[in-house]
Amino acid sequence: RKEVEQDPGPFNVPEGATVAFNCTYSNSASQSFFWYRQDCRKEPKLLMSVYSSGNEDGRFTAQLNRASQYISLLIRDSKLSDSATYLCVVNWTGGGNKLTFGTGTQLKVEL
Amino acid sequence: EPEVTQTPSHQVTQMGQEVILRCVPISNHLYFYWYRQILGQKVEFLVSFYNNEISEKSEIFDDQFSVERPDGSNFTLKIRSTKLEDSAMYFCASRGRHGVYEQYFGPGTRLTVT
Repeated sequence: RKEVEQDPGPFNVPEGATVAFNCTYSNSASQSFFWYRQDCRKEPKLLMSVYSSGNEDGRFTAQLNRASQYISLLIRDSKLSDSATYLCVVNWTGGGNKLTFGTGTQLKVEL
Repeated sequence: EPEVTQTPSHQVTQMGQEVILRCVPISNHLYFYWYRQILGQKVEFLVSFYNNEISEKSEIFDDQFSVERPDGSNFTLKIRSTKLEDSAMYFCASRGRHGVYEQYFGPGTRLTVT
C-alpha cells in the first residue's frame, strides 16, 4: 500500500467551480499534515497545514479525519491561477520529521 | 519574505563525475533537508540534518551521497560519482524550530547526468 495515496487526475473544471481533492495515508503515527502546491518544474510551495478541527484560508478549506486516515482539500470559486498539481504531504515526527509526499492531483481550471 | 535559495539552477555532468549542489536555508531555521524528484514522479526524501549531523537518511542516500554545512549559511549535497539515474530535480528545504513542522523549499537544482 502506498504511504500517501491521491487520485492523479487531471481534474478539469471551469472557472468559478468548487473542486475537492482527497488523500489517504497509511502510517497511523503520522502527526502533521499539509497541502502543497507544485507548478510545472517548480518547487513544492506550502499551501496550508491541516489541523484536526479543519481549517480554512480564504477559498481553501482543509479537513483531516484521523480515524479514517483521510485528508481533503476544497477549493471554492476556482481561478485560472489555481491550475497546478496539489500534493498531499504527511510528516511522522518519529521519522526525523521527513515529509512523505503523494504523487499529486493535477488541477486544470479553464475559461 | 525569507526564502531558501539554491545554486546552480541547472547542472549538467558526465557519469562518474562529482557534483556539489548548494543551498542557503532560511536564516533562522535549524533543520535542513534534501529531497529529489525524478521527472514525472513524486518528491522523495533523501536526508535530514540538524545540529551538524544527519538525523535520518533514506535508502536512496547511499555512500555516494554526503551533506555538509560548511559555514553558518550554506548547506551542500555532494554526489561523489554520478550515475544516469541520479538525474532529477534536487530540492533543499528548511524548517524553523522544534515543534514547528512546516518545511519551505528552495527552487531546486535540475541535475542532468549524461
